[in-house]
Amino acid sequence: GEDVEQSLFLSVREGDSSVINCTYTDSSSTYLYWYKQEPGAGLQLLTYIFSNMDMKQDQRLTVLLNKKDKHLSLRIADTQTGDSAIYFCAVPLTGGGNKLTFGTGTQLKVEL
Amino acid sequence: DTAVSQTPKYLVTQMGNDKSIKCEQNLGHDTMYWYKQDSKKFLKIMFSYNNKELIINETVPNRFSPKSPDKAHLNLHINSLELGDSAVYFCASSQVISKETQYFGPGTRLLVL
Repeated sequence: GEDVEQSLFLSVREGDSSVINCTYTDSSSTYLYWYKQEPGAGLQLLTYIFSNMDMKQDQRLTVLLNKKDKHLSLRIADTQTGDSAIYFCAVPLTGGGNKLTFGTGTQLKVEL
Repeated sequence: DTAVSQTPKYLVTQMGNDKSIKCEQNLGHDTMYWYKQDSKKFLKIMFSYNNKELIINETVPNRFSPKSPDKAHLNLHINSLELGDSAVYFCASSQVISKETQYFGPGTRLLVL
């Protein structure tokens, strides 16, 4: 499989919480990122977490990091239609040199 | 002001042609990158430059040649375009290579006919 994996699709109802998951093979001790890509647009940095933290909250966003299981998740509370986009996790893989490896992306669809 | 800009936004061209995509960042960053996003939205790094020097060169055909005239610019020249080169190409920059947040441009949508 890929070094950084995400499920391809997630569909939620407006107002519900969304949880987007990311698993990776290994990472160096630094930052892990979540990016958002709206249709026809570039990638926008959403949030990030340092590898020595296990949780970070930023308004409606909560990032959870389980280093033991190599699992990163992004929770969006009170999901809105404007949250519909593709979400990418990005991880600096160990042995990957000085580069970020992006996940396969999760398409989030928010339904009314 | 746009932090990372790319031109052109759209590029439609015939197979076999040579084309260039330009990227500029006004963030004062030292490192710039080129990524390719395919039709399945999979994003893969192609090149990275730090202070005009090439530091990452993934397995990319040598038809692709990046050029960095100064640390604020990283252009991508593609020779003998092929159908499989059709994709969205993103430029990005960061203060220090990779471990710092990368800021992305809006993308250049390349279609090879």
